[in-house]
Amino acid sequence: ETGVTQTPRHLVMGMTNKKSLKCEQHLGHNAMYWYKQSAKKPLELMFVYSLEERVENNSVPSRFSPECPNSSHLFLHLHTLQPEDSALYLCASSLGGGAGVYNEQFFGPGTRLTVL
Amino acid sequence: AQSVAQPEDQVNVAEGNPLTVKCTYSVSGNPYLFWYVQYPNRGLQFLLKYITGDNLVKGSYGFEAEFNKSQTSFHLKKPSALVSDSALYFCAVRDAAAGNTPLVFGKGTRLSVIA
Repeated sequence: ETGVTQTPRHLVMGMTNKKSLKCEQHLGHNAMYWYKQSAKKPLELMFVYSLEERVENNSVPSRFSPECPNSSHLFLHLHTLQPEDSALYLCASSLGGGAGVYNEQFFGPGTRLTVL
Repeated sequence: AQSVAQPEDQVNVAEGNPLTVKCTYSVSGNPYLFWYVQYPNRGLQFLLKYITGDNLVKGSYGFEAEFNKSQTSFHLKKPSALVSDSALYFCAVRDAAAGNTPLVFGKGTRLSVIA
């Protein structure tokens, strides 16, 4: 679709499980993002990485742990989640993440997560 | 602080009629404004953006948006709606002078085009 892929597309996990979401971008971008999209709620920005450094962490619970090993890959490690964490998790990338940047973000298709 | 509002949760329009999806914003400086569309079970897709220059911006799939600084609005428009335009639409803003801040998204407007 847009050069941003996410795996898996669907994930069902128990509250005691550990799982990871993966995002890969093939666009040569240097900023990557994790968003949470829940029904009836605005899109929530979770984490931002720019040049592989975390530059934004919007008070996300520690049961969510991001990892950005290089500018093309982004992971979200999940541990002891709660049922209210069930949502669509979207990854995005863009060229540049700093001040005055006007480049659009490109989104992956998302991972639909269900926590039982 | 920057914010964006989409006052309508749902917009219904008949196929072939013009459509408008409303967006207003608040920033301290000049805005960078974006529209995205989300089809079912998909991520957001970029439609168009306003950075500077002409107030009327043309984008993908025949959509356009008009930047109105006095009304702090950036409404999305299309002259003739298609059933396939039915989707969730998001407006987003970034303050050009706000430093290293990410995009702020509106809560989305669901567009339903009826045949």
